[in-house]
Amino acid sequence: DIVMTQSPLSLPVTPGEPASISCRSSQRLLHSNGQTFLDWYLQKPGQSPHLLIYLGSNRASGVPDRFSGSESGTDFTLKISRVEAEDVGVYYCMQALQTPYTFGQGTKLEIK
Amino acid sequence: EVQLVESGGGLVQPGESLRLSCTAPGITLSNYWMHWVRQVPGKGLVWVSRINEDGRTTNHADSVRGRFTISRDNAKNTLYLQMNSLRAEDTAVYYCTRDIGGKFGLWGQGTLVTVSS
Repeated sequence: DIVMTQSPLSLPVTPGEPASISCRSSQRLLHSNGQTFLDWYLQKPGQSPHLLIYLGSNRASGVPDRFSGSESGTDFTLKISRVEAEDVGVYYCMQALQTPYTFGQGTKLEIK
Repeated sequence: EVQLVESGGGLVQPGESLRLSCTAPGITLSNYWMHWVRQVPGKGLVWVSRINEDGRTTNHADSVRGRFTISRDNAKNTLYLQMNSLRAEDTAVYYCTRDIGGKFGLWGQGTLVTVSS
């Protein structure tokens, strides 16, 4: 199974400041079609998860442009350029290259 | 608003069975791979099962293989998860989610399954 390792697990951030979450996969997530099967999800308190970033760096529909995703080999990063109060929740990376699909442990972002 | 709706959760005793359903008013589910993902309250997300568009291809996590079966009835536009021989560690909120090219762009609200004597 592909292991996904996130850091940090807890992320206190001052509104207006940037934030960064890392996710490392135990093997490359590059499909034979050239796409990287890594997604980012946010689960706000009391809600279902929703998609933020897909295929490593593509923002989902309706996601603010302060969110961005990048990759370097087996290292993936989710960046928030300026954190807002509505960004609180738990962020998960997930690999969709092969079953079993696997998630990172989650990073809880909170406002200072 | 387009959404997925899960149902069928509840309280059962260890060893018993339960069938979850996922419907999608306004969406034709038969066009998509579909998945079940679960979450122990307060914990992280765990992938459970997936099924392809026509129901002929399925995959399950090792922890549920042989006990859980994912299926679909495209005529009823419904996804199922048959859960047999339930264990306490199966207690979780179960979400259905739609897969488009490896991304889960649509999730249900979840249904809670509690396995306890």
